[in-house]
Amino acid sequence: DAGVTQSPTHLIKTRGQQVTLRCSPKSGHDTVSWYQQALGQGPQFIFQYYEEEERQRGNFPDRFSGHQFPNYSSELNVNALLLGDSALYLCASTRGFKNEQFFGPGTRLTVL
Amino acid sequence: AQSVTQPDIHITVSEGASLELRCNYSYGATPYLFWYVQSPGQGLQLLLKYFSGDTLVQGIKGFEAEFKRSQSSFNLRKPSVHWSDAAEYFCAFSTGTASKLTFGTGTRLQVTL
Repeated sequence: DAGVTQSPTHLIKTRGQQVTLRCSPKSGHDTVSWYQQALGQGPQFIFQYYEEEERQRGNFPDRFSGHQFPNYSSELNVNALLLGDSALYLCASTRGFKNEQFFGPGTRLTVL
Repeated sequence: AQSVTQPDIHITVSEGASLELRCNYSYGATPYLFWYVQSPGQGLQLLLKYFSGDTLVQGIKGFEAEFKRSQSSFNLRKPSVHWSDAAEYFCAFSTGTASKLTFGTGTRLQVTL
């Protein structure tokens, strides 16, 4: 049973560029959440998708957008990258309204 | 404001010694509480969770945590630490079903042999 998978593992971009990160939820899960973890910090909630709709959103600018596909996989898009967007981006999945979230290994984004 | 505080940034214990990691939350009601562990370069693994009922909860890898409503705390404990327990530990809470997780800043555990 595959857990949550994320791609790519690492990514290097320059300021102003755009990036897309991908997440496949654990088998049987239909809800996907994205978190940003800056170095030395705890993860910060970006947004959550359920039934292809954004259900909740954290305190992140509109440069951060997402999408959920019919197969429940999800993408996180960040436009106009800033140096401060450098972080580990974590995807978590759960089934419906269950509280236990399972995390993927993350994508390490470096913005130069 | 809703928040989680982990007062200890870094803790060092000897292998075989007991461990307690502190966690306090700020929320007007009883939240759902979690402890996660993160090894270097890894994602987060759930150690244990508290939703309701018995205030002492058992988790994986020999960890346990106790919810104390009067102190707004959810401290993590282990009676005997192993070298493989060295990692970053995060306390988190959510306020409703499938709600977002709010994390503390983490406690880095170092284990000396």
